[in-house]
Amino acid sequence: GAGVSQTPSNKVTEKGKYVELRCDPISGHTALYWYRQSLGQGPEFLIYFQGTGAADDSGLPNDRFFAVRPEGSVSTLKIQRTERGDSAVYLCASSQETSGRLGYNEQFFGPGTRLTVL
Amino acid sequence: SQQGEEDPQALSIQEGENATMNCSYKTSINNLQWYRQNSGRGLVHLILIRSNEREKHSGRLRVTLDTSKKSSSLLITASRAADTASYFCATAFPVPVKETSGSRLTFGEGTQLTVNP
Repeated sequence: GAGVSQTPSNKVTEKGKYVELRCDPISGHTALYWYRQSLGQGPEFLIYFQGTGAADDSGLPNDRFFAVRPEGSVSTLKIQRTERGDSAVYLCASSQETSGRLGYNEQFFGPGTRLTVL
Repeated sequence: SQQGEEDPQALSIQEGENATMNCSYKTSINNLQWYRQNSGRGLVHLILIRSNEREKHSGRLRVTLDTSKKSSSLLITASRAADTASYFCATAFPVPVKETSGSRLTFGEGTQLTVNP
C-alpha cells in the first residue's frame, strides 16, 4: 500500500506569512507524529496525535505553531507569522497502534516538506 | 535537546569493508531504533531493538544495545556504495497517554557514512 505522503514537497514563503503543511498517513495508522529537521541535525519532535487528539504537543516551539487532525487521518501543521528560523524540513510519521505495547512501534516517515522562509 | 549522540560524525570506508557507528543516550528508554536518510529527506527505518534485548540482526545489519552503558552500535557488514547515507539512532520512551503504543522519538545528530567504490 501507499506510504506516508506529504504536500507540498517544497514551500517557499516570505517572512510573516502563514503556511500549512499536509500529511497523509498510512491507512489504518492511528498514531501520527510531526518532526522538524534543520540542516545537519537530526529530526526534532514537534507533536504527536493519537486518533484526533494531540496526545503530546510539548515539542511545538511556540504558539505560532499549531496542528490538527480532525478526522483522525490527514493532519495539517500550521505556522503563523513565519520567521526565517522556521526554515527546515518538516517530517511526518505514522505508526500502527498496538494496545498495551508501549513504545514498540516502528514509525514510517514521509518524504518531508522543505520550508524556506525568505 | 537531542538525547542521542552518534559517533563518529562522519565515516568514510571502501566498498566491502565493515562500518560501525555508535550511539549514546542519557535516559531510560523503551527501545532504540536506527534510521537511514538519503539526501536530507525520507527517513527509512532499519531496525528496532527493545530495552530487554542485547543484540539483533537484519541482513547485513547488526545492532547491539547496552543499557548499563546507555549505548548502542550499528554494524553494517560488507558495505556497498549504495549504503552511503546518514544514519541516525533514535530513542523512544512513552508519551503520557495511557495504554497506547505511541512514543516520540528523540534523534541524535547522525553519522554521515560514505562508502567509496
